[in-house]
Amino acid sequence: GAGVSQSPSNKVTEKGKDVELRCDPISGHTALYWYRQSLGQGLEFLIYFQGNSAPDKSGLPSDRFSAERTGGSVSTLTIQRTQQEDSAVYLCASSHIRNYEQYFGPGTRLTVT
Amino acid sequence: AQTVTQSQPEMSVQEAETVTLSCTYDTSESDYYLFWYKQPPSRQMILVIRQEAYKQQNATENRFSVNFQKAAKSFSLKISDSQLGDAAMYFCAYRSGMNRDDKIIFGKGTRLHILP
Repeated sequence: GAGVSQSPSNKVTEKGKDVELRCDPISGHTALYWYRQSLGQGLEFLIYFQGNSAPDKSGLPSDRFSAERTGGSVSTLTIQRTQQEDSAVYLCASSHIRNYEQYFGPGTRLTVT
Repeated sequence: AQTVTQSQPEMSVQEAETVTLSCTYDTSESDYYLFWYKQPPSRQMILVIRQEAYKQQNATENRFSVNFQKAAKSFSLKISDSQLGDAAMYFCAYRSGMNRDDKIIFGKGTRLHILP
């Protein structure tokens, strides 16, 4: 079946603009995760959804970052007033309630100029 | 808080040789999972191998095997008969076993080069 998909694949934006990143998880996966991968760094957890609710938002770096998930499926990560330090690859993953394995999407590379 | 440390930013190995990537972690939990993920230039994170902490036997997947030392909190990955397609970033990762939905904590990665 289809894996996790993310769009856009690449996004270049000017400092100060808002951006929206989309994640479409594997059908039937109730848990959805957002991670950020900065150059030369590992993956940094941002937020986790179980269904439409977000029990863990502890990784969001500032109030410029927000995320929502509707219908227990697609999720959108929004970054307002982007800064150059927001430049990174944003990865989304999903998992089924019955197991612990997370399946990752190909990521969105965000470049803030 | 749990942490994962990969002390080798880069490694190189000759094609067909064996290489071992190191990983240590810190946790006070007794129930957890450990993973090695591969990230090729395509950015797609691929699960290579996983180990449940309660299992004493080291996990093996074809040419990939781990050396899990629970007391030492060490979890190294051995790649046998290295192939050009193994060139990638490798991330060691930890996940709590307390909650099935918990986030994964990643190390900073080791970039593996395969020399022809």
